[in-house]
Amino acid sequence: ILNVEQSPQSLHVQEGDSTNFTCSFPSSNFYALHWYRWETAKSPEALFVMTLNGDEKKKGRISATLNTKEGYSYLYIKGSQPEDSATYLCARPTGSARQLTFGSGTQLTVLP
Amino acid sequence: DTAVSQTPKYLVTQMGNDKSIKCEQNLGHDTMYWYKQDSKKFLKIMFSYNNKELIINETVPNRFSPKSPDKAHLNLHINSLELGDSAVYFCASSPMPGRDTQYFGPGTRLTVL
Repeated sequence: ILNVEQSPQSLHVQEGDSTNFTCSFPSSNFYALHWYRWETAKSPEALFVMTLNGDEKKKGRISATLNTKEGYSYLYIKGSQPEDSATYLCARPTGSARQLTFGSGTQLTVLP
Repeated sequence: DTAVSQTPKYLVTQMGNDKSIKCEQNLGHDTMYWYKQDSKKFLKIMFSYNNKELIINETVPNRFSPKSPDKAHLNLHINSLELGDSAVYFCASSPMPGRDTQYFGPGTRLTVL
């Protein structure tokens, strides 16, 4: 993995379902991993910044875990609601300037 | 109290023109960024600016130039606009690059005719 890969590309779930998706990244020289939520016609909004192996972070019904040794992070949404519909992006700092390189995102649609 | 603001929100212009997009942040952050959302909706970093140090992504044409009159502003100037420059451009800021959350502006949709 050269940069950041996210799967699945898109996901449809029913309201009330719990769901999760994956962000994969190179396990060497890990610095940090960012998760953002991006609603259509809006700007990306930060969810989490994760820095330590084994980190678990939670914000309401959304939580994330981090495994830096194997190079992945999971984002979980419990009891999905239609307002959770958005693209979820992960990103990692790259280069000496630590600029963020974003994945292509997972587009979540929660059906009422 | 908008944290990161951009103007204009929409910009429609002719090929060959020169245009600017302004970005201001009132968060007291030291680092500002410009991103381009490409046709596949990828967010790609164009520039970051931290303490007067400009980092330019090597894929950005030199027709694009950021200008920072002060720490709270990072404007994007584009010369000789081309059709392929049509995109949504986002400004963002953070305290420092890397481990700090970035706060994004609302985006500027540029259309080149």
